[in-house]
Amino acid sequence: DIVLTQSPGTLSLSPGERATLSCRTSQTISSYYLAWYQQKPGQPPSLLIYGASSRASGIPDRFSGSGSGTEFTLTINRLEPEDFAVYYCQHYGRSPATFGPGTKVDF
Amino acid sequence: QVQLVESGGGVVQPGGSLKLSCTASGFTFKNFGMHWVRQAPGGGLEWVAFVRNDGTKQFYADFVKGRLSISRDNSKDTLYLQINNLRPEDTAVYYCAKDFTATVVYYSDHWGRGTLVTVSS
Repeated sequence: DIVLTQSPGTLSLSPGERATLSCRTSQTISSYYLAWYQQKPGQPPSLLIYGASSRASGIPDRFSGSGSGTEFTLTINRLEPEDFAVYYCQHYGRSPATFGPGTKVDF
Repeated sequence: QVQLVESGGGVVQPGGSLKLSCTASGFTFKNFGMHWVRQAPGGGLEWVAFVRNDGTKQFYADFVKGRLSISRDNSKDTLYLQINNLRPEDTAVYYCAKDFTATVVYYSDHWGRGTLVTVSS
């Protein structure tokens, strides 16, 4: 199975700053099969990015995804107060569809 | 709009069984694969299972080991998760999620709010 690791575990930033989140896979994967989700406290996850770099419907362009091979990045430009949340990457396209452990972005 | 509403959670003793349901609306349920994903208190997301749109094929996480079974009833727009021989480590919020595709384990573009299962004596 493909194992996903995310770093850092927690990212302490202020509104207006840039957040750079990393997701590393244990094997090379196609960038078609990497997604990012956002989860706010008490809420279910919501899809941000699929195919490593395609924004889901309604996602503002301050969110961007990039990467290939085993290294993927979620960048959030100009953090807004509502962006403080936990972010998970996920590998899909085959079973099991594994999630990374998450990165918490907080103040 | 897409809505997914889970039900059936609660407090169960170790060794017990539970059947979770997820009622879908706002999209053509029979055209999409569906997932269950769980999240232990304070923990991360853990993919549990996927069922194809027509219910003919299921995929499971390695930890399932035959204790969990995903199914669906397209005539009722409802997804199910049967959990047997419950263990304390099964304590989690269980989310149902809609897949982007019909037959492939892909990403989840809509999620329900979840139902809490607590395994405790």
